[in-house]
Amino acid sequence: QQPVQSPQAVILREGEDAVINCSSSKALYSVHWYRQKHGEAPVFLMILLKGGEQKGHEKISASFNEKKQQSSLYLTASQLSYSGTYFCGTEGVNRDDKIIFGKGTRLHILP
Amino acid sequence: GAGVSQSPRYKVAKRGQDVALRCDPISGHVSLFWYQQALGQGPEFLTYFQNEAQLDKSGLPSDRFFAERPEGSVSTLKIQRTQQEDSAVYLCASSLQGTNTEAFFGQGTRLTVV
Repeated sequence: QQPVQSPQAVILREGEDAVINCSSSKALYSVHWYRQKHGEAPVFLMILLKGGEQKGHEKISASFNEKKQQSSLYLTASQLSYSGTYFCGTEGVNRDDKIIFGKGTRLHILP
Repeated sequence: GAGVSQSPRYKVAKRGQDVALRCDPISGHVSLFWYQQALGQGPEFLTYFQNEAQLDKSGLPSDRFFAERPEGSVSTLKIQRTQQEDSAVYLCASSLQGTNTEAFFGQGTRLTVV
């Protein structure tokens, strides 16, 4: 029941846009996005909840299609600091407080 | 402290040794999570506490793994008779309440079993 992320890796030039997708086989209550740089702790980006509520940083944009059990993270006008591995985590509608993370999408921004 | 603190940052254990990994969550955070992260993989859920109560331990790989949070703050993850497959980064995260709020991760403990 691990969510599937795509693509596995992306290379962009500074200023370009990217979309990272997250897909689950089960009905979801929430989707969580984190970014992790090498050797560092994952850092919170956004939570998207069933019903449309979103909590996160203003500069981050994401969507949650409850019917399709999919979420997408939109990175626009990318900066060098956006480099890292992006993880989506999902919690099922049973609300068991257990977030299952995908394998990650590695993003590398070139100057 | 300002964030989640984990110690030690690095631990090398001989196969068969017992290890104890410590997590100091953010003060006032009710929820505490332990994850295991293998190289190049996402964090895998191990166990979850709400205050001192361990509400879910379904992710613990075997009965060699044990976690506690006796006073609802500091938590310890103990691994008995370590095996090579236990080598990973162990991450701790805390949140104000459950999964509806932002979780703050510590930098993790990198365990290497030789």
